Amino acid sequence: DARVTQTPRDKVTEMGQEVTMRCQPILGHNTVFWYRQTMMQGLELLAYFRNRAPLDDSGMPKDRFSAEMPDATLATLKIQPSEPRDSAVYFCASGWGTGGRETQYFGPGTRLLVL
Amino acid sequence: GESVGLHLPTLSVQEGDNSIINCAYSNSASDYFIWYKQESGKGPQFIIDIRSNMDKRQGQRVTVLLNKTVKHLSLQIAATQPGDSAVYFCAERFGNTPLVFGKGTRLSVIA
Repeated sequence: DARVTQTPRDKVTEMGQEVTMRCQPILGHNTVFWYRQTMMQGLELLAYFRNRAPLDDSGMPKDRFSAEMPDATLATLKIQPSEPRDSAVYFCASGWGTGGRETQYFGPGTRLLVL
Repeated sequence: GESVGLHLPTLSVQEGDNSIINCAYSNSASDYFIWYKQESGKGPQFIIDIRSNMDKRQGQRVTVLLNKTVKHLSLQIAATQPGDSAVYFCAERFGNTPLVFGKGTRLSVIA
């Protein structure tokens, strides 16, 4: 049963520390998305990649967030330095397609708490 | 102080009854729509999708209806079960642009 995996599942850190979240997309999928979910804002798109190339990261605070795909099996989202307002659940999703019609499959999320 | 969060619309239904969850989408040019289900502590899970050239699509116990005239999407769940309790999101897309998610509706099934 193919699924998106994310690590860690939970992360508690102190303000100012670096946080790295990892995602393994479903094998064969060529599109990867990073979302943030909070009670206040709901589900927000942060960035997404197609064939490992970043297509849009306009939803991400550029000064502290960065997203990369070192290879087709790994996507990373880093926050440096982290702030309490970054506390949220971060989801990775993957899909396959060329024209934006792919269905997105979500991972279980990383629950981040910044103290 | 008191925390303020999204006030999700809530639908409460009796077990065994049919549920209808509604969604008003924003872009009249959107050509693809998806319904997701999110259980507590889990990621959104794909339920069913529909393209704009259709007005109805059926899955197992679920039906999605699309009314492009009034930009309305609905999800019907037949014989609702306790396991259907979750937050349901509709999402829309136009062309190559990413999905745009709605705020969600909480479905509560009363046993």
